[in-house]
Amino acid sequence: NAGVTQTPKFQVLKTGQSMTLQCAQDMNHNSMYWYRQDPGMGLRLIYYSASEGTTDKGEVPNGYNVSRLNKREFSLRLESAAPSQTSVYFCASRRTGPANEKLFFGSGTQLSVL
Amino acid sequence: QQPVQSPQAVILREGEDAVINCSSSKALYSVHWYRQKHGEAPVFLMILLKGGEQKGHEKISASFNEKKQQSSLYLTASQLSYSGTYFCGTEIRNQGGKLIFGQGTELSVKP
Repeated sequence: NAGVTQTPKFQVLKTGQSMTLQCAQDMNHNSMYWYRQDPGMGLRLIYYSASEGTTDKGEVPNGYNVSRLNKREFSLRLESAAPSQTSVYFCASRRTGPANEKLFFGSGTQLSVL
Repeated sequence: QQPVQSPQAVILREGEDAVINCSSSKALYSVHWYRQKHGEAPVFLMILLKGGEQKGHEKISASFNEKKQQSSLYLTASQLSYSGTYFCGTEIRNQGGKLIFGQGTELSVKP
């Protein structure tokens, strides 16, 4: 099983450029998440989706948009990248419901905005 | 809303014990613990779903005090492989699965 697949693994952008980070899971999970990780800040939640067709803001949603395209895919879009968005981005998924389960993480995307 | 972890960093010799604490200002539904090695994704250690629950994973165990809104991770007889950054993740009731992480505790185990 592939688990959670993120693309790309690395990306360099210029300020003002746009891009979409892709995430797909093959575990039939209903909930999906996007986190960013900066040194000393831990993992901060950007957006999450509890089911297909729903999305909710996390701790740091400004400057980002998301799309839950279907149950498998959850994309993160930067419309106009800024240097402050330089970070490592992790997508994660899990089953939630009567009992919320553990998160499965993708391998991460290292994004640099110059 | 972000849980607070303490200490921020700890250095151990092999065989020593450590405790990492995670506290929240809000009533918790569950607490997760993950470990991350440099350059890798976080890896699940355990999840605690009920107040007072304690779980174990090899020489790593955790407790969840619902009344105090806190959890502790216990690492006993530490090994070199325990080095990494430990994160607690917390869920609050009725927030649709929102999972927020603390800032992390960096653990270094020396020979």
